[in-house]
Amino acid sequence: DAGVIQSPRHEVTEMGQEVTLRCKPISGHDYLFWYRQTMMRGLELLIYFNNNVPIDDSGMPEDRFSAKMPNASFSTLKIQPSEPRDSAVYFCASSSGQHTAGSPLHFGNGTRLTVT
Amino acid sequence: GIQVEQSPPDLILQEGANSTLRCNFSDSVNNLQWFHQNPWGQLINLFYIPSGTKQNGRLSATTVATERYSLLYISSSQTTDSGVYFCAVWDTGNQFYFGTGTSLTVIP
Repeated sequence: DAGVIQSPRHEVTEMGQEVTLRCKPISGHDYLFWYRQTMMRGLELLIYFNNNVPIDDSGMPEDRFSAKMPNASFSTLKIQPSEPRDSAVYFCASSSGQHTAGSPLHFGNGTRLTVT
Repeated sequence: GIQVEQSPPDLILQEGANSTLRCNFSDSVNNLQWFHQNPWGQLINLFYIPSGTKQNGRLSATTVATERYSLLYISSSQTTDSGVYFCAVWDTGNQFYFGTGTSLTVIP
């Protein structure tokens, strides 16, 4: 399997612009997670989906952030408008059946976002 | 939410040395995993270990769920082991909680 695929790897944008991050989970995985990593706050869960349905979005910082999962093989995280404090590495991760044995979490390589 | 504490926060080792990293968690969990974030930022799943002991090459992990801790052992460390090691637990409230990590530097 190719693993969790994220794009782009790097994104540099100006404040106020819309940013869209993309993720393709591992085939067959029914959970998808979006995380943000910064030096100050470490790894923060933003939102996660189960079977394409958003389950918990309490980590989404504010209304400027939105996430969708239109099908089992694709998810997006959108920031509109972007602000310099959104600069971070955004990770997507997927897993299969959190409540059963043997369900490791697999991360993509991340998208490094810089908002100037 | 669950509190996850890792120790030590930083560790510097000579190549070939052994080390033990610890993860304490504040409540019952049914899923605990160890990750390695390499210097390029990639997060690699090392172990899924809600209880018991597992080994993978020079790495092994033990979780004692009743006492709410897990240990990651690295033997004969190599420079490629450098990076940050995270422990993450999944609670019954359906969320992974990550520790703040142990930053390991292995010196040749």
